[in-house]
Amino acid sequence: AQTVTQSQPEMSVQEAETVTLSCTYDTSESNYYLFWYKQPPSRQMILVIRQEAYKQQNATENRFSVNFQKAAKSFSLKISDSQLGDTAMYFCAFMKANSGNTPLVFGKGTRLSVIA
Amino acid sequence: NAGVTQTPKFQVLKTGQSMTLQCAQDMNHEYMSWYRQDPGMGLRLIHYSVGAGITDQGEVPNGYNVSRSTTEDFPLRLLSAAPSQTSVYFCASSYVGVRDSPLHFGNGTRLTVT
Repeated sequence: AQTVTQSQPEMSVQEAETVTLSCTYDTSESNYYLFWYKQPPSRQMILVIRQEAYKQQNATENRFSVNFQKAAKSFSLKISDSQLGDTAMYFCAFMKANSGNTPLVFGKGTRLSVIA
Repeated sequence: NAGVTQTPKFQVLKTGQSMTLQCAQDMNHEYMSWYRQDPGMGLRLIHYSVGAGITDQGEVPNGYNVSRSTTEDFPLRLLSAAPSQTSVYFCASSYVGVRDSPLHFGNGTRLTVT
């Protein structure tokens, strides 16, 4: 079974600074997808960024980028120029590929606070 | 453009009561799932379905039943509520077999069992 570990329960960052959230995972699969979801206080789950394991290039979405290290099974999220609206829970998630839809496996989350 | 709709948003039950959490999606997604979110535990999968008439258990299925009679609806039933089922419940859906099809989440139901 796949597991996803987020080792930082809480983090804080000053507005306009950069912060990196860690995620490691364990799998014997060779092809899979990795995701970062954001959950603001509104409780809504918002997809931030996704990465396909067979793609070596790290995904980026505006101020959000990942550092995907397949051999180390690491998938960290970097938020640049942090904004107050980035305050949220962030969840790392894993999904096997090429097998229809297998469920997403989530980490326990990191609570990020952006401080003015 | 409703997406994934969950009802109710909030619910309080007494121990032993039963209820159904509703989930509907209008995107013609084959895959639907239920997660529960507890502090410090992340999101854990309860049940999922890859199409009408097909359901399967996730990580924490005990105490919950599901059925999938239509593509659009995937209700979650609590037959005899227990305080341990106090949680926030999320329904999520996506296409099946489409590369990198992301999950679309509902806005959640906060359930309290006293």
